[in-house]
Amino acid sequence: EVVLTQSPDFQSVTPKEKVTITCRASQSIGNYLHWYQQKPDQSPNLVIKFASQSISGVPSRFSGSGSGTDFTLTISSLEAEDAATYYCHQSSTLPYTFGQGTKLEIK
Amino acid sequence: QVQLQESGPRLVKPSQTLSLTCTVSGVSISGGNYLWTWIRQPAGEGLEWIGRIYTDGSSNFNPSLKTRVTMSIDTSKNQFSLNLRSLTAADTAVYYCARVTDWGSGTFDIWGQGTLVTVSS
Repeated sequence: EVVLTQSPDFQSVTPKEKVTITCRASQSIGNYLHWYQQKPDQSPNLVIKFASQSISGVPSRFSGSGSGTDFTLTISSLEAEDAATYYCHQSSTLPYTFGQGTKLEIK
Repeated sequence: QVQLQESGPRLVKPSQTLSLTCTVSGVSISGGNYLWTWIRQPAGEGLEWIGRIYTDGSSNFNPSLKTRVTMSIDTSKNQFSLNLRSLTAADTAVYYCARVTDWGSGTFDIWGQGTLVTVSS
């Protein structure tokens, strides 16, 4: 199975700061990499698909990049509402797998 | 708009079978290039994919759960279901149903709200 490793596991950030979360795959997955935001007691919500494609209704401060094995989710200017845990997910190969999650805390 | 809603027991005894149903509204479950899937999340932990089902009833499962899982789909009711056998405390989790785009090679674009299932005697 494809193992996805996110870094960091936890980050404490101030509003307006730029945030970068990385996701590394154990084998090449092309661009079949998606990002989700999960707030406490809520279902995950898709924020980026196919590595870099934006999602309707998601603020433009969210962007993604990468292909193959290395991917990045960037929040250009953090807002308080972005406090959440972020997961990457690959759909290249079954079984689908997720990264372990990155928890963003707002200072 | 498209909505998914899980239903089923909140408390199940060890060794028993968990049966959950996901009711889809706002779209036909048999329309479009979608598959349907189950994902779970133990409290305070990450997400684990359980399995997916096509509208023709064929399915794929996570190898870690394959021996205990079955899934079914009822297009007349716009529902799909999960059965998980031989439960242990390790199966205690929030169970989500979701839609998979692009004939299974895409995203989980729509999720249910999740249902907490506790395995305990």
